[in-house]
Amino acid sequence: EMQVLESGGGLVQPGGSLRLSCAASGFSFSSYVMSWVRQAPGKGLEWVSSLSGSGAITHYADSVMSRFTISRDNSKNTLYLQMNSLRAEDTAVYYCAKALGSDWSYFGYWGQGTLVTVSS
Amino acid sequence: QSALTQPASVSGSPGQSITISCTGTTSDVGGYKYVSWYQQQPGKAPKLMIYDVSNRPPGVSNRFSASKSVNTASLTISGLQAEDEADYYCSSYTSSSTPWVFGGGTKLTVL
Repeated sequence: EMQVLESGGGLVQPGGSLRLSCAASGFSFSSYVMSWVRQAPGKGLEWVSSLSGSGAITHYADSVMSRFTISRDNSKNTLYLQMNSLRAEDTAVYYCAKALGSDWSYFGYWGQGTLVTVSS
Repeated sequence: QSALTQPASVSGSPGQSITISCTGTTSDVGGYKYVSWYQQQPGKAPKLMIYDVSNRPPGVSNRFSASKSVNTASLTISGLQAEDEADYYCSSYTSSSTPWVFGGGTKLTVL
């Protein structure tokens, strides 16, 4: 059965750092684009970043460019999101999502999310 | 403010049909086939319901259909059921520096 499980969320002070992980199972992890999508409390969805199966191609939203880094370890079937210089507006549930087929544009399977709270 | 515009809420009675609109520009919805729709039931993760404007992934009910005209995409749910009550988000590829955007979401209430 396909599964993605996020971890690493928590409370962090403004300006701090946090690394999220997404452990995948039940599919050929290295064959798929993986993405992070976030949702601020009571708000809508916001795409954050996507990474090719090989890890060679990355895309970032303007709102996180230069502060967040997406990466993956295909030997561990794990996706990461390194978040630096965190701001209050980064507070959100962060979802890990597997692409639908080979297309970058569709988030075909989502984890349950991990909550990041940026507050002093 | 979201790049794609959706109504904040829609409602319908069981058995009826409703349509949710998603308005963008020629730089997103109107310019590409990469339009999708997601359902998010209360307290759950989003679920892909439609991709490539009008295609359903395996397992999605054929009560869900979608289309696009110029810069506006639409999701129609027919034969409304209580379990359809959820938030619905459209998404599109965009030629801007942030390549994927979502609409603000529409809360569907089944009366």
